[in-house]
Amino acid sequence: AQSVSQHNHHVILSEAASLELGCNYSYGGTVNLFWYVQYPGQHLQLLLKYFSGDPLVKGIKGFEAEFIKSKFSFNLRKPSVQWSDTAEYFCAANDYKLSFGAGTTVTVRA
Amino acid sequence: DTAVSQTPKYLVTQMGNDKSIKCEQNLGHDTMYWYKQDSKKFLKIMFSYNNKELIINETVPNRFSPKSPDKAHLNLHINSLELGDSAVYFCASSYVGIQRESETQYFGPGTRLLVL
Repeated sequence: AQSVSQHNHHVILSEAASLELGCNYSYGGTVNLFWYVQYPGQHLQLLLKYFSGDPLVKGIKGFEAEFIKSKFSFNLRKPSVQWSDTAEYFCAANDYKLSFGAGTTVTVRA
Repeated sequence: DTAVSQTPKYLVTQMGNDKSIKCEQNLGHDTMYWYKQDSKKFLKIMFSYNNKELIINETVPNRFSPKSPDKAHLNLHINSLELGDSAVYFCASSYVGIQRESETQYFGPGTRLLVL
């Protein structure tokens, strides 16, 4: 099964700052990659996913992620964050089961 | 019009009790899952059912028993609840099929279990 690591445990930003969250996965074969977001007290929502094709994936709410196969990475980015982006962000990789990273808490200060 | 629903949303109970959590999906998916999210927000899969058949059974105490009466439902029964069972339990569903190409999982709202 996959091992997924997220580089940052807690990120604190001001509104309008750019955000980048790192994610690395362990398996070099065919793998599906996901970013989920969990707003305070809510369930996980899919931000974006990569199965194949264009390695730059655009998701909801202005998020995008880049799949770099040679680096086993799938980093999440947003050019300008808003206060409402305060949430927990999870990277996940799926070979035969979905394995999650430990999550990154993002706090956006107004 | 909820895609994946769970009941109850909150569950507070005493140690030693037996409780059940129910999950239903109306997405037409063929696979359902239970995840446990601990106090540090770490998410780990517990079980997965495909077409009512158990396909993933992680290292989970025998006190946890999933049951899938049909493709749209996956329940979780927990016997002899312990303090360490306190967590948020999420149900999820996906369509796996043969090609495994559309295997995006959609999550329910979670059940917050507190064992006293």
